Amino acid sequence: AQSVTQPDIHITVSEGASLELRCNYSYGATPYLFWYVQSPGQGLQLLLKYFSGDTLVQGIKGFEAEFKRSQSSFNLRKPSVHWSDAAEYFCAVGAGGGTYKYIFGTGTRLKVLA
Amino acid sequence: GAGVSQSPSNKVTEKGKDVELRCDPISGHTALYWYRQRLGQGLEFLIYFQGNSAPDKSGLPSDRFSAERTGESVSTLTIQRTQQEDSAVYLCASSYGTAQETQYFGPGTRLLVL
Repeated sequence: AQSVTQPDIHITVSEGASLELRCNYSYGATPYLFWYVQSPGQGLQLLLKYFSGDTLVQGIKGFEAEFKRSQSSFNLRKPSVHWSDAAEYFCAVGAGGGTYKYIFGTGTRLKVLA
Repeated sequence: GAGVSQSPSNKVTEKGKDVELRCDPISGHTALYWYRQRLGQGLEFLIYFQGNSAPDKSGLPSDRFSAERTGESVSTLTIQRTQQEDSAVYLCASSYGTAQETQYFGPGTRLLVL
């Protein structure tokens, strides 16, 4: 069965520092992979997605993620974090092939220190 | 245009009462999803509507949960005889209908069952 693991429940970084949020998935074929961000009082917003092709995906707000099949990972990165990036980040996997169900990880809450 | 809207934003109810949650999808989106987000957990798929096809109800946790959607418009999620374990944020999302299409999320309804 599909599953998504986000090993870090909380991460704290200083403003201007680099960021990497980890996501590992379990799925037999190449999955559809997503990163969403949820700010307080806001709905989830898609940061980026991977379906096929180039394994380094660029998203909004300066985020990028790299799909590594050998490691079953899809880690989210940002070279320099801004205070406004403080939020909860969710990784999700879809089965593809027309399957619409997404499996979400439990989320990583990011705190940014001034 | 407007995003996905949900109402009410917050709902407090007593155990045993019925509640109805509403979702207005983005105009033109044929697919609509309901998810549940319990405190500290990821999103849990509940139900999926696609156009006029029969909905996929496989994620509904019990027969106390039901949902309706008329055509490609508003959807309501009804929880009968609410229990304390139903307390969660209920999120609605809509998309153009396939797994490759981005799901756009509403801000959610926070339900508290006393």
